[in-house]
Amino acid sequence: NAGVTQTPKFQVLKTGQSMTLQCAQDMNHEYMSWYRQDPGMGLRLIHYSVGAGITDQGEVPNGYNVSRSTTEDFPLRLLSAAPSQTSVYFCASSKTMIGTDTQYFGPGTRLTVL
Amino acid sequence: AQSVSQHNHHVILSEAASLELGCNYSYGGTVNLFWYVQYPGQHLQLLLKYFSGDPLVKGIKGFEAEFIKSKFSFNLRKPSVQWSDTAEYFCAVRDTGRRALTFGSGTRLQVQP
Repeated sequence: NAGVTQTPKFQVLKTGQSMTLQCAQDMNHEYMSWYRQDPGMGLRLIHYSVGAGITDQGEVPNGYNVSRSTTEDFPLRLLSAAPSQTSVYFCASSKTMIGTDTQYFGPGTRLTVL
Repeated sequence: AQSVSQHNHHVILSEAASLELGCNYSYGGTVNLFWYVQYPGQHLQLLLKYFSGDPLVKGIKGFEAEFIKSKFSFNLRKPSVQWSDTAEYFCAVRDTGRRALTFGSGTRLQVQP
């Protein structure tokens, strides 16, 4: 199993550009989520999904869109990038949303918005 | 809203020193507790987790944590740190009603040889 994979590893955008961060998992996990990591703030939840076709907002959803058309993929879209979105983005998955399930994290995407 | 506090932001230790990193959470109900580690340039990896039962939990690489319900705490410990333990450590909590983890702000541990 590859686990949770993310592409790209690094990305530089200009303000106003759009892009999609890709996330895929091959563990047949129902639950997937996106976090952003900023210095001194830990990880904050952006959006999550409890299964194909079902998504919901997390703590900091503004400026981001998600969709879940398949169990494996959970892309994160930035519609109009802003410097405040400069961050490291982590995708995570777990078998279910039950609290006892371990979340597995991808390697992250480091995004810089100029 | 649930919150997680990690009071030590940056800890510097010498090899073989003992380690204790504090973690306190705000939720008063049933919780699941986690410690994750992020080595430089790598993604988060699970160190240990607590769901129920024995409040002293043992994890990988000699780490352990103790859940003290009355203090809303889940402190991470290691009797003797190594240079390879240099990393950032995150405490996380999930209560039974939420669908995601709430993370603390992290503690950067630097172990000097």
